[in-house]
Amino acid sequence: GQQVQQSPASLVLQEGENAELQCNFSSTATRLQWFYQHPGGRLVSLFYNPSGTKHTGRLTSTTVTNERRSSLHISSSQTTDSGTYFCAIEATGNYKYVFGAGTRLKVIA
Amino acid sequence: GGIITQTPKFLIGQEGQKLTLKCQQNFNHDTMYWYRQDSGKGLRLIYYSITENDLQKGDLSEGYDASREKKSSFSLTVTSAQKNEMAVFLCASSGGSAETLYFGSGTRLTVL
Repeated sequence: GQQVQQSPASLVLQEGENAELQCNFSSTATRLQWFYQHPGGRLVSLFYNPSGTKHTGRLTSTTVTNERRSSLHISSSQTTDSGTYFCAIEATGNYKYVFGAGTRLKVIA
Repeated sequence: GGIITQTPKFLIGQEGQKLTLKCQQNFNHDTMYWYRQDSGKGLRLIYYSITENDLQKGDLSEGYDASREKKSSFSLTVTSAQKNEMAVFLCASSGGSAETLYFGSGTRLTVL
């Protein structure tokens, strides 16, 4: 079945540093989303981005479809960015969204 | 905007008990999902439903049943609760092939 690998598994940053989170997948993605989850909190969609580059605030998502990879760039990290970031893929058009294991980010002041 | 409501927020059951989790959405979305999230882990798909009365098995469907009797609701039944399936169960919905997934706040299951 569809495999989604996220790296790194965890990351610790000093406030102000940048972060690059990676998502690699085994089949061409029809749909791709990045989510954020605060510890114990609800999942929040950051980007729906099956191809190309999207920006919002300090966040940038870039998906290269034919290379089966996506990245999430966080610039000038803040302590409030701490939490887990998930990548989710739907590969075959059958609405079966599969999640990666996540990247746990901790930003310290 | 819409909302996804999951009930109950906390569910405590005995080992071997049959337990039902409920999810309601007012987005008028066609597709709904049930995921399980173990502590500190990612999400695993249990069941999904593309439209009313449709059911599709995910990667973790064994030990669970689901029901989509109307467009706005999707129920998940744990057929025989086990201690190793204590987790948060998350319901999600989307409006079709090019739509964002929206999530409820989850039901936390404890098995005694």
